[in-house]
Amino acid sequence: AQSVTQLDSHVSVSEGTPVLLRCNYSSSYSPSLFWYVQHPNKGLQLLLKYTSAATLVKGINGFEAEFKKSETSFHLTKPSAHMSDAAEYFCVVRGGSYIPTFGRGTSLIVHP
Amino acid sequence: DAGVIQSPRHEVTEMGQEVTLRCKPISGHDYLFWYRQTMMRGLELLIYFNNNVPIDDSGMPEDRFSAKMPNASFSTLKIQPSEPRDSAVYFCASSGGGNTEAFFGQGTRLTVV
Repeated sequence: AQSVTQLDSHVSVSEGTPVLLRCNYSSSYSPSLFWYVQHPNKGLQLLLKYTSAATLVKGINGFEAEFKKSETSFHLTKPSAHMSDAAEYFCVVRGGSYIPTFGRGTSLIVHP
Repeated sequence: DAGVIQSPRHEVTEMGQEVTLRCKPISGHDYLFWYRQTMMRGLELLIYFNNNVPIDDSGMPEDRFSAKMPNASFSTLKIQPSEPRDSAVYFCASSGGGNTEAFFGQGTRLTVV
């Protein structure tokens, strides 16, 4: 069995400040982990992925995430938020079942 | 490749009517997933196929929902009869084998009135 918990339903930051979106996972197998972004009324776009290579993964638009097996975490960070980062973010685990399992999502709000 | 293509983008139908959503996966991908997204329940997996064969349809909410994949380049999700509570955004996604990333279509926004 596998599951994902996104610890915050909403995160609010000011433009130019760091972003931290938290994700914990559970999987019986060595999983792959992903972060997707969904802008309003749009589809889901892959931000970055971890597939058992380097534990610090860099993605598009300045985002990165670190895989920590001991903490079963895969938190998403960005040093400086931009207004265009306002969107819904989903953490996804894919393990032995090959089914991508989604977290409930975190809404990122960026204030000017 | 043009990515995963879904049609229609928007569908408005009356309660009781049949609705068919369509999906063309990325060529060479052997997994296809149908998800439903609502505010209340988030993203739910409805059914997935591997090599055109349905593997797990436990997420299909009722017998009113059915899905087919007659070949590697086409899948349909059908709702008959439709009900207002079926209103949601339906996403199709495809992926290669193993734990590779899934690629999503733009979704079909279904409104049942």
